[in-house]
Amino acid sequence: GAVVSQHPSRVICKSGTSVKIECRSLDFQATTMFWYRQFPKQSLMLMATSNEGSKATYEQGVEKDKFLINHASLTLSTLTVTSAHPEDSSFYICSARVTTDTQYFGPGTRLTVL
Amino acid sequence: AQTVTQSQPEMSVQEAETVTLSCTYDTSENNYYLFWYKQPPSRQMILVIRQEAYKQQNATENRFSVNFQKAAKSFSLKISDSQLGDTAMYFCAFMLTGGSEKLVFGKGTKLTVNP
Repeated sequence: GAVVSQHPSRVICKSGTSVKIECRSLDFQATTMFWYRQFPKQSLMLMATSNEGSKATYEQGVEKDKFLINHASLTLSTLTVTSAHPEDSSFYICSARVTTDTQYFGPGTRLTVL
Repeated sequence: AQTVTQSQPEMSVQEAETVTLSCTYDTSENNYYLFWYKQPPSRQMILVIRQEAYKQQNATENRFSVNFQKAAKSFSLKISDSQLGDTAMYFCAFMLTGGSEKLVFGKGTKLTVNP
């Protein structure tokens, strides 16, 4: 089956620093990937849609300059949280589109900002 | 905008019993997909089952089946012969066809299977 990886699985950083999270499709090419945020005991909220070779499409209320998304290849999308603050602490999950109606999810990245 | 509602925040079931999780959704569109995802304690999202709205036949995957009532905009998940490994958060999700392929999730139901 399709496998999506995320790196790192956990990251702790100081307030004001930037953190990059990688999402890779390991055995298939993904022209479209999605980034979600999940707060404790809550549902997944879509942050942005990442398209290979073009700019990401952000959901309403998501700061483009704070959450930088780059989809430079058919197997890699990155999410950079710039100037992170404690309120950015969350669980970030990516998914990769396999077919029109199928997305496979990465294992998630827990970000803690001190 | 589409919305997905899961009215049961938590449920529990005895091992080997059957449990049904509820989901309703709201849309004015006619063509869409519905999904149930499972998120165990590892937090890895796992697709349990999918249903195309144009299909009247309810989807089935081994012990998992759905009751899709399009007119009522209802999409419940039945888990038969519950196993301890079924303990997880279950999310109902909606996706329009021919669009942005965005998934809209419900708030989830925490299912606990007791031995």
